Amino acid sequence: NAGVTQTPKFRILKIGQSMTLQCTQDMNHNYMYWYRQDPGMGLKLIYYSVGAGITDKGEVPNGYNVSRSTTEDFPLRLELAAPSQTSVYFCASRVVPEKLFFGSGTQLSVL
Amino acid sequence: EDKVVQSPLSLVVHEGDTVTLNCSYEVTNFRSLLWYKQEKKAPTFLFMLTSSGIEKKSGRLSSILDKKELFSILNITATQTGDSAVYLCAVDQTGANNLFFGTGTRLTVIP
Repeated sequence: NAGVTQTPKFRILKIGQSMTLQCTQDMNHNYMYWYRQDPGMGLKLIYYSVGAGITDKGEVPNGYNVSRSTTEDFPLRLELAAPSQTSVYFCASRVVPEKLFFGSGTQLSVL
Repeated sequence: EDKVVQSPLSLVVHEGDTVTLNCSYEVTNFRSLLWYKQEKKAPTFLFMLTSSGIEKKSGRLSSILDKKELFSILNITATQTGDSAVYLCAVDQTGANNLFFGTGTRLTVIP
């Protein structure tokens, strides 16, 4: 099992550009999450999904969009990137009530 | 408002010392408390605690939950430089779709 796979690992964007962070899991987990982690801070939830076709906002959804067309994939879209979106992004998945499995993270800089 | 508070925020110790990290919480419908270790990248799972007073142990690490006083501790004995990391505490709620994360404790172990 590969677990949770995120791509890319690093990315530099210019202000106003858009990009998609990819996330795939092969554990047949129904719950998937996107978190961001700013330096010295904990994890903040951006969006989550409880199953294919169902998504919902977390604490910090502004500037982001998600989709969940399959159980495996949960891409995160950044539209009109801003410096405030410079962060490390983690995708995670689980079967409730078990533990979260995390992807390796994407370090994003918006300049 | 639901919250998870970790203390101390940071800690510097010498190899061989024993450390205790704290996590207190105020959440409704508590289900479980999880500890993760985060080195340079993604958090890795350490323990999940659901019952009061039952210690979970893995090598030099152990953790216990007190559901009456609403806190958990993570103990690390005979610390090594490889224990240097941020330790995250998260609380899961029944009926909720997300885990609440604390901001973490940064542990630095000096040779």
